[in-house]
Amino acid sequence: GAGVSQTPSNKVTEKGKYVELRCDPISGHTALYWYRQSLGQGPEFLIYFQGTGAADDSGLPNDRFFAVRPEGSVSTLKIQRTERGDSAVYLCASSLEGRSTDTQYFGPGTRLTVL
Amino acid sequence: TQLLEQSPQFLSIQEGENLTVYCNSSSVFSSLQWYRQEPGEGPVLLVTVVTGGEVKKLKRLTFQFGDARKDSSLHITAAQPGDTGLYLCAGVRGYGGSQGNLIFGKGTKLSVKP
Repeated sequence: GAGVSQTPSNKVTEKGKYVELRCDPISGHTALYWYRQSLGQGPEFLIYFQGTGAADDSGLPNDRFFAVRPEGSVSTLKIQRTERGDSAVYLCASSLEGRSTDTQYFGPGTRLTVL
Repeated sequence: TQLLEQSPQFLSIQEGENLTVYCNSSSVFSSLQWYRQEPGEGPVLLVTVVTGGEVKKLKRLTFQFGDARKDSSLHITAAQPGDTGLYLCAGVRGYGGSQGNLIFGKGTKLSVKP
């Protein structure tokens, strides 16, 4: 079956622009996670959805970052007024029910470059 | 503040050598996970350790969870070039059903030369 997919794979934008990053989780997975991985670092948690609702958004760095999952499947991470410091690989993961024993399956990521 | 410290950060060895990677924290985790990540891909789960003192083996890889559930190690026996990659440890905080928040270390970049 298909794994987690993310589009686009690469995104180059200019400082101040708005970007949207998309994640298609594994079919049937109710939990969805967004992480950000900067160069030389491990992934950093951003937000976790259980179904359509954000169960934990404590990792979002500021109000320029927002994520939605309106139908409990596909999710979009939105970044307003991008800054050079937002450049990173944005990873999405999904798990079956979000239980502590469930495996998180990661997508390949979207590499965002802000010029 | 990095909650999970991994060491070494970089490791370059010859095929056939053994190695150990460490993951340490001052915090207690309900479980610890080890992932392997290759360039251009997302991390892939290798193992989850749950019980203090637990040892798990996956072919040539041996994983151990510290007695106090604050640290873990990954030992690879007779490393092969295919083992090359970024090894990440991740802590699962709290108890109960929710797995909302994985805390990752910075990773150990392993290069195994033929």
